[in-house]
Amino acid sequence: KAGVTQTPRYLIKTRGQQVTLSCSPISGHRSVSWYQQTPGQGLQFLFEYFSETQRNKGNFPGRFSGRQFSNSRSEMNVSTLELGDSALYLCASSLRGASYYGYTFGSGTRLTVV
Amino acid sequence: AQTVTQSQPEMSVQEAETVTLSCTYDTSESNYYLFWYKQPPSRQMILVIRQEAYKQQNATENRFSVNFQKAAKSFSLKISDSQLGDTAMYFCAFMKTQGGSEKLVFGKGMKLTVNP
Repeated sequence: KAGVTQTPRYLIKTRGQQVTLSCSPISGHRSVSWYQQTPGQGLQFLFEYFSETQRNKGNFPGRFSGRQFSNSRSEMNVSTLELGDSALYLCASSLRGASYYGYTFGSGTRLTVV
Repeated sequence: AQTVTQSQPEMSVQEAETVTLSCTYDTSESNYYLFWYKQPPSRQMILVIRQEAYKQQNATENRFSVNFQKAAKSFSLKISDSQLGDTAMYFCAFMKTQGGSEKLVFGKGMKLTVNP
């Protein structure tokens, strides 16, 4: 079966712009989480969604937002981009019970802000 | 807040040898889960092994096994018979279920290189 699909793979944006990243989870997975990966800060939790509801949010400014659709696909949006937003953004999905099944990650979207 | 520490930033090992990656964590919780993830150059994080804190038995998955010491808050990963394909970043991660939410707290990672 298909894995977690993230689009686009690479993205270059200018400071001040906004960006939307997409994540399609494994079929049947209702939980979707987002993580930001940078060389300096490592992997940091952004959001978690389950059945279109945000269950948890990490310590990021309000410029970072997300949502989940009825088909479990998820998007995250970053407005007013800053240079420090350059990172690999990883999406992960799980059947309910990620503690038991673990998360399956996508290959990420590499965002570069210039 | 939970923290995960991987003190070795980088290691190298010869093919077929055994290597141990260390991880310590800090938490006041009694029920939690621990994971090792592998991230090869393809960028995709791949689950290697998981451990439930309430289980004393160490988890094993083929060539991968853990040494879980709950009192010491230590969770090391042993890779036996190392293969070239094991070359990757390895991340130790902690998960506490909180009100149904399941988020991972990751360590900074360790770069493992397996040499031929």
